[in-house]
Amino acid sequence: DGGITQSPKYLFRKEGQNVTLSCEQNLNHDAMYWYRQDPGQGLRLIYYSQIVNDFQKGDIAEGYSVSREKKESFPLTVTSAQKNPTAFYLCASSIHVPGAKNIQYFGAGTRLSVL
Amino acid sequence: GNSVTQMEGPVTLSEEAFLTINCTYTATGYPSLFWYVQYPGEGLQLLLKATKADDKGSNKGFEATYRKETTSFHLEKGSVQVSDSAVYFCALSEGGSQGNLIFGKGTKLSVKP
Repeated sequence: DGGITQSPKYLFRKEGQNVTLSCEQNLNHDAMYWYRQDPGQGLRLIYYSQIVNDFQKGDIAEGYSVSREKKESFPLTVTSAQKNPTAFYLCASSIHVPGAKNIQYFGAGTRLSVL
Repeated sequence: GNSVTQMEGPVTLSEEAFLTINCTYTATGYPSLFWYVQYPGEGLQLLLKATKADDKGSNKGFEATYRKETTSFHLEKGSVQVSDSAVYFCALSEGGSQGNLIFGKGTKLSVKP
C-alpha cells in the first residue's frame, strides 16, 4: 500500500534534548511538508521541501531543523531551542508541479510531549 | 495575504440532522479549495475538493460548492451519522512555486445518537 508513515506515534522529550520525528513516503512524491497542530489553531507550516537536498522555512521554523537526503524521507528535528514543543506534528507529501494546485496527503501524525 | 476563515465550533448535532460548516476565503488569485477531515488521533484525509468557480466537490454524502462571488466553500451534508464526528478543515492552495496549503482553524463536529 502506498502512503506516508510517521513514527513514532508518541514521543516524549526531556528538557534540553533534541528529538527527531520520522516521515517516510512511498508515493514517489517530490514535495514534502511538516505541520504543527495546536488545539484551536489549525495547522501551521514548519518546513517544506520540493526536491531532494533542498528545503525552505515555513511560518514557524524557529527551533526546528530538517533534512532531505532522499526523496522518500523528510525527518524533522525538534531542537532544544524550541521552548514549547508539545503539539501534534503532521507530515504531508504531494506531487510537485510548479503552478499547479496539488493535493497533499497526510501521515497519521506524531504526538510530542515534554517530560 | 491569503487566509481561510471557518465557523467556530464545536458543533453538536443529533444523528440524521443537516450539517453546514461555513468557510470563506481571501485570495489574490484563483485558488483550489479543499475540505479535509481529521478523525480522533489521526492525520488529515482529503474529503473533497474544487478547482474552479461553480465546481461542486462531493464525497461520502458531503458536498461543497466553490462560490467565487461570495468567496465561500461551505460544507454540507443532508443527514449526519455518529461516524462523522471529527474535526473538519477548510483549506486553499493558490499553486505557484510552493503549492502550499493554507488552513482554517478547524471545526469540531460531534454527532449524538
